[in-house]
Amino acid sequence: AQKITQTQPGMFVQEKEAVTLDCTYDTSDQSYGLFWYKQPSSGEMIFLIYQGSYDEQNATEGRYSLNFQKARKSANLVISASQLGDSAMYFCAMREASNTGGFKTIFGAGTRLFVKA
Amino acid sequence: DTGVSQDPRHKITKRGQNVTFRCDPISEHNRLYWYRQTLGQGPEFLTYFQNEAQLEKSRLLSDRFSAERPKGSFSTLEIQRTEQGDSAMYLCASSPPLTTSGRAVTQYFGPGTRLTVL
Repeated sequence: AQKITQTQPGMFVQEKEAVTLDCTYDTSDQSYGLFWYKQPSSGEMIFLIYQGSYDEQNATEGRYSLNFQKARKSANLVISASQLGDSAMYFCAMREASNTGGFKTIFGAGTRLFVKA
Repeated sequence: DTGVSQDPRHKITKRGQNVTFRCDPISEHNRLYWYRQTLGQGPEFLTYFQNEAQLEKSRLLSDRFSAERPKGSFSTLEIQRTEQGDSAMYLCASSPPLTTSGRAVTQYFGPGTRLTVL
């Protein structure tokens, strides 16, 4: 069964420093997508970055990059130059296609990031 | 772009009552998802629609839950005979058709409906 594991319940980072949020996944499928979302205290889910299982290069979106190591089944999020507004809950998610033609997305338990001034 | 909207934003009900939530996806999005999120946890997948067809449904979903998307536009999620354990945030998300290469694209989430069952 597919599974997403985020082993860091909480992380602290100093403003302007980089931080890595860990994510490992488990799937037997060859085709899947990996996502990171940010959820501030307001509750909205904000898409950050996407990595396809066949993508050869690591995805980058502004200050966000995804360190994709397929053999190790890890998809860590790197946030460079942290800002106070980055304080939020971060979720790693994986999407697989099902044999019904549908899609199913599984989320990890999340990592709460605290950015210190 | 008005984004994904959900109604109501908050619902308080008594145990045993039925509740219905509505989700309006972004207009050109043919794919729609429902999730449930409890405090301190990640969203839990409930069901997936492509146009009006419900193509995926979580095995965790009890028979008290049903979802529809009759015309391939808005969707409703109904919970019958609510229980206290149903108290959660119910999130709806939508995404556009797959690209011709089949590349999955992100889901855009609505603000959620917070359900409290007393």
